[in-house]
Amino acid sequence: DIQMTQSPSTLSASVGDRVTITCRASQSISSWLAWYQQKPGKAPKLLIYEASSLESGVPSRFSGSGSGTEFTLTISSLQPDDFATYYCQQYNSYSITFGQGTRLEIK
Amino acid sequence: QLQLQESGPGLVKPSETLSLTCTVSGGSISTVTYYWGWIRQSPGKGLEWIGSIYYSGTSYYNPSLRSRVTISLDMSKNQFSLNLSSVTAADTAVYYCAKIDSSGMFDSWGQGTLVTVSS
Repeated sequence: DIQMTQSPSTLSASVGDRVTITCRASQSISSWLAWYQQKPGKAPKLLIYEASSLESGVPSRFSGSGSGTEFTLTISSLQPDDFATYYCQQYNSYSITFGQGTRLEIK
Repeated sequence: QLQLQESGPGLVKPSETLSLTCTVSGGSISTVTYYWGWIRQSPGKGLEWIGSIYYSGTSYYNPSLRSRVTISLDMSKNQFSLNLSSVTAADTAVYYCAKIDSSGMFDSWGQGTLVTVSS
């Protein structure tokens, strides 16, 4: 199985900050990586797919990069609505795994 | 606009089978480029993929759950279903159904349904 490791587990930041979350795969997954945002009591929301493609309707302050085993999600200028938990997810050979999540909290 | 809605019992007894259905509206589950999947989230924990099914009926499961999971399609009702056998308290979770795009990402989700395993 491919393991996905996110860091950090918790991130404290302020409105307007630039933040980066990292996701590492235990083996190469090319660009088959997605990022999701989840708020309490809600289903996850797709932000980024194929490592760097922005889902329709998602603000441009969100961006993704990387390939192979190392990936990042960057929020260029944090807005109050962005405080949530973020998950990466890999798709490889019909098997799917999620990272353990990064909780983004207000400093 | 594709919509997905989970339904099924909110309480299941230990050792019994958990059965959930996902009803899809605004699109067809027989669309060639789509997969359909189940994901769960234990209270306060992260997301866990349970399994996926293609329009042809081919299914793929999380290795850790494979021996207990069956996912199936009902084209006539535009639904797909999850059966998880021999449940324990560790299977208590919010269960989500979702559409999987050909790129492998979950781009449409149901709202989720809480299933508690308890006697």
